[in-house]
Amino acid sequence: GAVVSQHPSWVICKSGTSVKIECRSLDFQATTMFWYRQFPKQSLMLMATSNEGSKATYEQGVEKDKFLINHASLTLSTLTVTSAHPEDSSFYICSARGGLAGRYEQYFGPGTRLTVT
Amino acid sequence: GEDVEQSLFLSVREGDSSVINCTYTDSSSTYLYWYKQEPGAGLQLLTYIFSNMDMKQDQRLTVLLNKKDKHLSLRIADTQTGDSAIYFCAEIFSGTYKYIFGTGTRLKVLA
Repeated sequence: GAVVSQHPSWVICKSGTSVKIECRSLDFQATTMFWYRQFPKQSLMLMATSNEGSKATYEQGVEKDKFLINHASLTLSTLTVTSAHPEDSSFYICSARGGLAGRYEQYFGPGTRLTVT
Repeated sequence: GEDVEQSLFLSVREGDSSVINCTYTDSSSTYLYWYKQEPGAGLQLLTYIFSNMDMKQDQRLTVLLNKKDKHLSLRIADTQTGDSAIYFCAEIFSGTYKYIFGTGTRLKVLA
């Protein structure tokens, strides 16, 4: 149980275009989802926290107009990178909290590698 | 600050024990975690320890927690080549329940 999927697993897009990444909790209801970004050989940095049905809370330094997060249902959150630039190339990982884990544990997706050319 | 520190690299021989260290920041963290990340993959939860515990053992993994020094360690016994990966510790910030990840330790196991 407690499986989180992401789609796509990798994507290449041209500079200036937008790309959407989906994060799904497959066998539990995720009241809260988190989006992280990981640059090569670096740690995960939390970008934003989203609760189902409400606006996401962004971490300091993360542009909310550039990284649009929608958590429309208890099993799906999306991250849209708008007007992507090469510096947005990164590994994006989502996690979900809910089900039996309660507030202390997050289940992580496999990540999405974004390359902007 | 919110820096969770880890040493960057560790190299061990197959069959030896590995010890990965982590210094965290929030003395009121309730849970502390160890995650494994293989190249190009997401995070795999290895183990966790509750803050009122000093030690937890799970098969080849032993977690030690020193709350006074805010120091956490992960010992892998009989390290195998399949253990080569990046290991992250993580703490939960009290109040926000957000994870703060360590800087990651790249473990290389030599055959």
